[in-house]
Amino acid sequence: GAVVSQHPSWVICKSGTSVKIECRSLDFQATTMFWYRQFPKQSLMLMATSNEGSKATYEQGVEKDKFLINHASLTLSTLTVTSAHPEDSSFYICSARWPSGVNEQFFGPGTRLTVL
Amino acid sequence: AQSVAQPEDQVNVAEGNPLTVKCTYSVSGNPYLFWYVQYPNRGLQFLLKYITGDNLVKGSYGFEAEFNKSQTSFHLKKPSALVSDSALYFCAVRDKGEYGNKLVFGAGTILRVKS
Repeated sequence: GAVVSQHPSWVICKSGTSVKIECRSLDFQATTMFWYRQFPKQSLMLMATSNEGSKATYEQGVEKDKFLINHASLTLSTLTVTSAHPEDSSFYICSARWPSGVNEQFFGPGTRLTVL
Repeated sequence: AQSVAQPEDQVNVAEGNPLTVKCTYSVSGNPYLFWYVQYPNRGLQFLLKYITGDNLVKGSYGFEAEFNKSQTSFHLKKPSALVSDSALYFCAVRDKGEYGNKLVFGAGTILRVKS
């Protein structure tokens, strides 16, 4: 089956620093990847859609200058949380869209970010 | 826009009993519906999907879901619950995005199976 990995699985950083999270599709090429944010006991909120070779599309209310997304290849998208603050602490999940058919999404295991 | 609703925050079931996790949808056109499961501090795992065809869809881990057009529902079911089924379950519907299709998730339902 399709496998999506995320790295790191958890990260703790100081306020004001930047953190990069990687999302990789391991056995298929994904022109489109998605980044979600999930607060405790809540649903997934789509932050942005990442397209290989073009700018990401951000959902309303998501700061594009704070959450930088780069989709440099068909198997890798990165999310950089710039100048992180404690309120950015959350569980970040990526998914990669299967390139054909129903275009279902396969999800990574998530990254737990804690900003001190 | 397409949407799904999960009316129950939590469902409690005894091990061995049948379980149902409810989902209703609101779409224009034909719905593409999905169920995902999430274990603590993990990403989402795909359980099953409905695109077209039989209203009863069979998925992973013994789960199935019944698509009911008249009731606009897509409830997740399992004949005999296991303690290991305890997790957070999300219903989702495919929606159109600027760059193609995207998923819209329900709020999630916590399933607790007690032995």
